[in-house]
Amino acid sequence: DQQVKQNSPSLSVQEGRISILNCDYTNSMFDYFLWYKKYPAEGPTFLISISSIKDKNEDGRFTVFLNKSAKHLSLHIVPSQPGDSAVYFCAACYSGGSNYKLTFGKGTLLTVNP
Amino acid sequence: SQTIHQWPATLVQPVGSPLSLECTVEGTSNPNLYWYRQAAGRGLQLLFYSVGIGQISSEVPQNLSASRPQDRQFILSSKKLLLSDSGFYLCAWSPVLGGGQYFGPGTRLTVT
Repeated sequence: DQQVKQNSPSLSVQEGRISILNCDYTNSMFDYFLWYKKYPAEGPTFLISISSIKDKNEDGRFTVFLNKSAKHLSLHIVPSQPGDSAVYFCAACYSGGSNYKLTFGKGTLLTVNP
Repeated sequence: SQTIHQWPATLVQPVGSPLSLECTVEGTSNPNLYWYRQAAGRGLQLLFYSVGIGQISSEVPQNLSASRPQDRQFILSSKKLLLSDSGFYLCAWSPVLGGGQYFGPGTRLTVT
């Protein structure tokens, strides 16, 4: 049973436009959410996170939105750049435990075309 | 600043051979440590995590094992590799108070 789902395996966007990556979760205990970016043959790089007490967090070109009632979060990249082309993983955890285990989605491959 | 190292970067091993992958973290104390595997089309699967020396929790049944002999050292092992063990293995750490995980560069393991 997948607790974190990224239903779009791939997304293609023109340079300069907005990229919207979506993620859904089923476990209502999750209260901390993260986005990672991963290039081939490298470890994931942390991008941005959001706590369940917020509904939006912004960092430069990256904004994460959280809709707790829908158990849905999204990552917006504006404007998209060719260097943003990578696999994006959504992850969630319950911050009340001591192990901070993350549950990852399967990832979405973003391609930004020049 | 904190850094995380993994080695080797790539490894080709025959079926039935042993495995030892090492991960070390610098610049922090008492981190939580994690081993993940990324198999094709399956995202990141958590294999083991550790909240302290000698404390290992296993997430999935398999022929792999993990050990944490020192505070900032995490080792992934197998006595006999299977073809299905091929994949990209990632080590990660998180601060003891949480706040996200930070990944190493990964090891590409091919079992032949």
